Amino acid sequence: DGGITQSPKYLFRKEGQNVTLSCEQNLNHDAMYWYRQDPGQGLRLIYYSQIVNDFQKGDIAEGYSVSREKKESFPLTVTSAQKNPTAFYLCASTDSNSGNTIYFGEGSWLTVV
Amino acid sequence: AQSVAQPEDQVNVAEGNPLTVKCTYSVSGNPYLFWYVQYPNRGLQFLLKYITGDNLVKGSYGFEAEFNKSQTSFHLKKPSALVSDSALYFCAVSYGGATNKLIFGTGTLLAVQP
Repeated sequence: DGGITQSPKYLFRKEGQNVTLSCEQNLNHDAMYWYRQDPGQGLRLIYYSQIVNDFQKGDIAEGYSVSREKKESFPLTVTSAQKNPTAFYLCASTDSNSGNTIYFGEGSWLTVV
Repeated sequence: AQSVAQPEDQVNVAEGNPLTVKCTYSVSGNPYLFWYVQYPNRGLQFLLKYITGDNLVKGSYGFEAEFNKSQTSFHLKKPSALVSDSALYFCAVSYGGATNKLIFGTGTLLAVQP
């Protein structure tokens, strides 16, 4: 089935550690996105990539990093510089053929312990 | 500043009754408007969108939304609510046709009582 796969679903991080969230899509979409969801705040854009080997900061990029070496993959690293990383992270993708509609993965919960 | 507002944190409705989830926006230019639904611990599922054309848009699961340019609103509606419609609903708006400019509301929790 076509879709966006995020892993792991649940992840625990110790203080000072970097962790990487995986996002893979087989929809052949050019653009990919990472959002953070906190209760009562809606979704906020962390990073986005319109094309392979290119990515741009979103509204809350500090403490995060990404790479886009392959069209189907857009991993997000939450670094130790992110002071409040506990949240639900959502990966999404789109392309011009989907009429500007963004499609989401199932999300990953990150908790700092 | 570009923004989207969902004025109600929660909407309660009895099963079988009509439901409305409100959304208003403030963006420059012509907006693209979207509704998504989220079930607990899941990603967002696309329901419907307005880009141009007919102001009444029909989407998945019997939902529809009406674009009102003068009131800058895009309210989500359904004629007869189901208990299974209970979920968190997000309105989103993009401007300039750019998906990297997608702004989400804070969400409205819909609770349908049997």
